[in-house]
Amino acid sequence: GESVGLHLPTLSVQEGDNSIINCAYSNSASDYFIWYKQESGKGPQFIIDIRSNMDKRQGQRVTVLLNKTVKHLSLQIAATQPGDSAVYFCAETPVGGGGNKLTFGTGTQLKVEL
Amino acid sequence: KAGVTQTPRYLIKTRGQQVTLSCSPISGHRSVSWYQQTPGQGLQFLFEYFSETQRNKGNFPGRFSGRQFSNSRSEMNVSTLELGDSALYLCASSPRELPTGTETQYFGPGTRLLVL
Repeated sequence: GESVGLHLPTLSVQEGDNSIINCAYSNSASDYFIWYKQESGKGPQFIIDIRSNMDKRQGQRVTVLLNKTVKHLSLQIAATQPGDSAVYFCAETPVGGGGNKLTFGTGTQLKVEL
Repeated sequence: KAGVTQTPRYLIKTRGQQVTLSCSPISGHRSVSWYQQTPGQGLQFLFEYFSETQRNKGNFPGRFSGRQFSNSRSEMNVSTLELGDSALYLCASSPRELPTGTETQYFGPGTRLLVL
């Protein structure tokens, strides 16, 4: 039969608070990771990326943390705003694999409450 | 720079028909990848084209095919449509192989395909 729809985990935060979105990956060969934000009716939008030779990278209001030991990635959003409400996906790919094939996580729905 | 554009944005087809979707990458980008997004399976990689050659292929049946032209524009085709092909089809472009310094893979708005 058909598989049921993916149940997206939901994170609800108050406006102005910090948000932390987590992602576990399974491919030990992955060494390039990207966070995307997808708003309703739109394609995924690039937020920030990180290579496996780093464990932290900061952008504007966002920080990505990478823990290769436990294969875990997190996205921190500072001072969360209503415009941050969206589905957030992590994506991974091995570098030098001869291509740009991204494997995506299931996504997390971020809801910002006023 | 203009972003990735996809046409058409919305499409309704019936089972058994075929469909062709088009993607124009960001100017200067040579890699174009296609993804299928459904509520049941999430975002799944279909295939990637680089310099008119298919470089990677996901786990989809042969009904799904694509091509890339010399100007890097790409098309994907789905033949003998099934109800389960209803999805958002996303195209992404990048300059070359990831990672590429400060550039990465950028997505278009997608084509919403409904198969009746």
